Amino acid sequence: DIQMTQSPSALSASVGDKVTITCRASQTIDSSLNWYQQKPGKAPKLLIYAASSLHSGVPSRFSGSGSGSDFTLTITSLQPEDSATYYCQQSYNGPPYTFGQGTKLEIK
Amino acid sequence: QVQLQESGPGLVKPSETLSLTCAVSGGSMNNYFWSWIRQPPGKGLEWVGYIYHMGSTKYNPSLKSRVTISIDASKNQSSLRLSSVSADDTAVYYCARGPVRYHDILTGRGSEAFDIWGQGTMVSVSS
Repeated sequence: DIQMTQSPSALSASVGDKVTITCRASQTIDSSLNWYQQKPGKAPKLLIYAASSLHSGVPSRFSGSGSGSDFTLTITSLQPEDSATYYCQQSYNGPPYTFGQGTKLEIK
Repeated sequence: QVQLQESGPGLVKPSETLSLTCAVSGGSMNNYFWSWIRQPPGKGLEWVGYIYHMGSTKYNPSLKSRVTISIDASKNQSSLRLSSVSADDTAVYYCARGPVRYHDILTGRGSEAFDIWGQGTMVSVSS
């Protein structure tokens, strides 16, 4: 299985800040990488697909980049509602689909 | 819009079989894959398996011998059965639409994602 490793595991930032979360795959996965946001007690929501494309309805302060095995999720101009755990997920060559362990973002 | 709702027992005894149902409303199950994904308390997400509306399935190899996913497209429902459960199977179980193929014509890139999720149902395994 392809292993996905996120860093950091947790971070804290203030409203208006810019943050970057990294996701690394154990092998090349081209651009088969998605990002999800999960708030406490809620289901994950799709933010970004194909490494850099914004899913419908997602604010433009979210962006993704990368290809191959290294990817980043960037959130600019942080808002209080961005407090959540963020997960990456790979879909290279089909199942099994695997997720990163998550990055918990706290807004100070 | 399409909504998913999981249901089933919240408590299952060790060695027994966990059974959950996912009801889809607001749309048809046709032409989509439907997955089950679980999340142990305080931990990350694990894809369990999927079923296509025509009935073909794929399972996570780590669970393959214990998992069965079925579908009744006429009732807009999918079901998950996980046999011989242990405490390690305690988790929130989500049903989700997907994998759905997304392709960005501007970048030429694509991926398969889970784009609609149910609210999840907590299942505890305990005697």
